[in-house]
Amino acid sequence: GEDVEQSLFLSVREGDSSVINCTYTDSSSTYLYWYKQEPGAGLQLLTYIFSNMDMKQDQRLTVLLNKKDKHLSLRIADTQTGDSAIYFCAESIVGGGADGLTFGKGTHLIIQP
Amino acid sequence: DGGITQSPKYLFRKEGQNVTLSCEQNLNHDAMYWYRQDPGQGLRLIYYSQIVNDFQKGDIAEGYSVSREKKESFPLTVTSAQKNPTAFYLCASSPSGQGAGEAFFGQGTRLTVV
Repeated sequence: GEDVEQSLFLSVREGDSSVINCTYTDSSSTYLYWYKQEPGAGLQLLTYIFSNMDMKQDQRLTVLLNKKDKHLSLRIADTQTGDSAIYFCAESIVGGGADGLTFGKGTHLIIQP
Repeated sequence: DGGITQSPKYLFRKEGQNVTLSCEQNLNHDAMYWYRQDPGQGLRLIYYSQIVNDFQKGDIAEGYSVSREKKESFPLTVTSAQKNPTAFYLCASSPSGQGAGEAFFGQGTRLTVV
């Protein structure tokens, strides 16, 4: 079955890089996503990567995909206080809708001054 | 501005009552979804609808009901049969077809049973 695993907490100092890791089990995943959830709010799509890609960069965000190990990471460069949130990894085996999405439990990113 | 709107933001329910959570989108998306989020948990799919007048059960549909009479609207009713309804409820929508499958989320409704 499908399962997406993430660490529950990550603490970093302001200005450092944050690396949030995720592992998934479904080898037929076609898209992998990172969502951000600020307190009391909905989820915001940050970025996604197609499973035939190894890396995707978008400003301060870098996504790395190791398909062999089924490992996905999100690197946030120069972490700021506004990056404090819960980050969800998700995979889709359908690629056509959110009914095919499987979410991890989320990693709470804590920023230390 | 296009978006997806949930209301109310906070909702209190007495035990034994049904309550309805509203979700409206003006993104012209065919598909809409309801998720439940509990502390320290991922999102769990309650119901989804790929097209007007059709909807499917998700992983935890028991105690919930939905309707999809209009493309823009997908209300969720939490019935008295739902034994533990206190949670954060998220509505989402996505375009149909073989796109990236990304979902656009509302701001959520926090339901508390008193």
